[in-house]
Amino acid sequence: AQSVTQPDIHITVSEGASLELRCNYSYGATPYLFWYVQSPGQGLQLLLKYFSGDTLVQGIKGFEAEFKRSQSSFNLRKPSVHWSDAAEYFCAVVLKEYGNKLVFGAGTILRVKS
Amino acid sequence: GAGVSQSPSNKVTEKGKDVELRCDPISGHTALYWYRQSLGQGLEFLIYFQGNSAPDKSGLPSDRFSAERTGGSVSTLTIQRTQQEDSAVYLCASSLGDRNIQYFGAGTRLSVL
Repeated sequence: AQSVTQPDIHITVSEGASLELRCNYSYGATPYLFWYVQSPGQGLQLLLKYFSGDTLVQGIKGFEAEFKRSQSSFNLRKPSVHWSDAAEYFCAVVLKEYGNKLVFGAGTILRVKS
Repeated sequence: GAGVSQSPSNKVTEKGKDVELRCDPISGHTALYWYRQSLGQGLEFLIYFQGNSAPDKSGLPSDRFSAERTGGSVSTLTIQRTQQEDSAVYLCASSLGDRNIQYFGAGTRLSVL
């Protein structure tokens, strides 16, 4: 089935440590790829996006993500996590053949310990 | 406006009542989307508007759900005869152009008692 998978439901990292959140998709064609972040009681904020071109994309708040076609992955990374990064992170895709809707992964809740 | 605005931010209703949720998109954005976020189902697409037309309604869960958009701007999502399973956060997003960067509002938290 076509889907977006975020295998980690919860992740805990220490402040200052590096972070990688995993995302895989199962579609025949390469979709547009996004990472959104949601703080409690808030809407979704776009961190970064990939449409084409350079496979390493930079986003806001010091985040980056790398698209790997061979692995159908779009993992999110940050070299040094801050306590304010604690939130829920969603990977999402748009596959134009299926319209403009975003298809989301289940989300990864990030906890940052001091 | 500066961002996507949704109202009300919270809505508590009784089972069987009708509710209307409102979304004001970013000025000039031609596309508007509704999503639902619930504990059991995660984030689900409901409906997409391009201008005042809705080319994709595939995510509406039942005929109790409807939506309209007027003047290419404000949209209203209506849920008739609400059920407890309709309790969720309803998110609206808008976008400009075909690169489909969607910007989200803060959502309406609907509680059906």
